[in-house]
Amino acid sequence: GAVVSQHPSRVICKSGTSVKIECRSLDFQATTMFWYRQFPKQSLMLMATSNEGSKATYEQGVEKDKFLINHASLTLSTLTVTSAHPEDSSFYICSANREPGNTIYFGEGSWLTVV
Amino acid sequence: RKEVEQDPGPFNVPEGATVAFNCTYSNSASQSFFWYRQDCRKEPKLLMSVYSSGNEDGRFTAQLNRASQYISLLIRDSKLSDSATYLCVIYNAGNMLTFGGGTRLMVKP
Repeated sequence: GAVVSQHPSRVICKSGTSVKIECRSLDFQATTMFWYRQFPKQSLMLMATSNEGSKATYEQGVEKDKFLINHASLTLSTLTVTSAHPEDSSFYICSANREPGNTIYFGEGSWLTVV
Repeated sequence: RKEVEQDPGPFNVPEGATVAFNCTYSNSASQSFFWYRQDCRKEPKLLMSVYSSGNEDGRFTAQLNRASQYISLLIRDSKLSDSATYLCVIYNAGNMLTFGGGTRLMVKP
C-alpha cells in the first residue's frame, strides 16, 4: 500500500483561483518532504524542500509567493498554487525520506489543469 | 555537464532480451543511489536501491561503480510489462536529491 499519499490526484481549476495539494506520510514521520513538478516527457524538477516547523527552501526560479508550502506536522505538507494560470498545469509530486535506509517514497502525484 | 545523466532512449528491445542502462553522476560525494520505475502519467516507484557490492532482485541487477561514477541497471528476460521510464536518483550529503532525465524502455512482442 501507499507509504506517501497525495490528494487530490486530479484537479481542474479556473485561472486566478488557488489550489491546495496535500502530501501525507502514512506510517512514518517526515521532517523533510520534497515537492516536484513534471512536464510531459521530462524528468522531475525539484521545486522546494518542505521543512517541518520552518520555512520551505525553494529552488532557483520557483516563486515562493506563488507556490506556498506549509509543513505543519511531521506527517503532512501542503503545496498551494496561488492565482493559478494555465502554464501551471502540470503533474505535481511530493516525496519523503523514510529512515532508516534513507529510502525515498513518492506520493501518487496530482494532475493540475488550469483552464 | 549535468549532475546526473542518463541516455533518454528509447531502448526498443524484443521480449526476452537483456538490456542495460547506465547513469553517470558528477558529484563524487554522492551517498545513496536508487533506480525508480515510472509508468506513463504515474509517480516513480522504487525499483531497487544500489549498493556498492551490487544487488540483484529476480531479473534485475543493479551495480555501482564509484571509480567511474556510474550506476547500472540490467534487466534480463525482458517482459512487455517492463516497458516504462527508468529514473536514477542520487542522494547527496545535505539532503539533496538529484534525478537523471530517465531512460525509456519499450519491450516489443
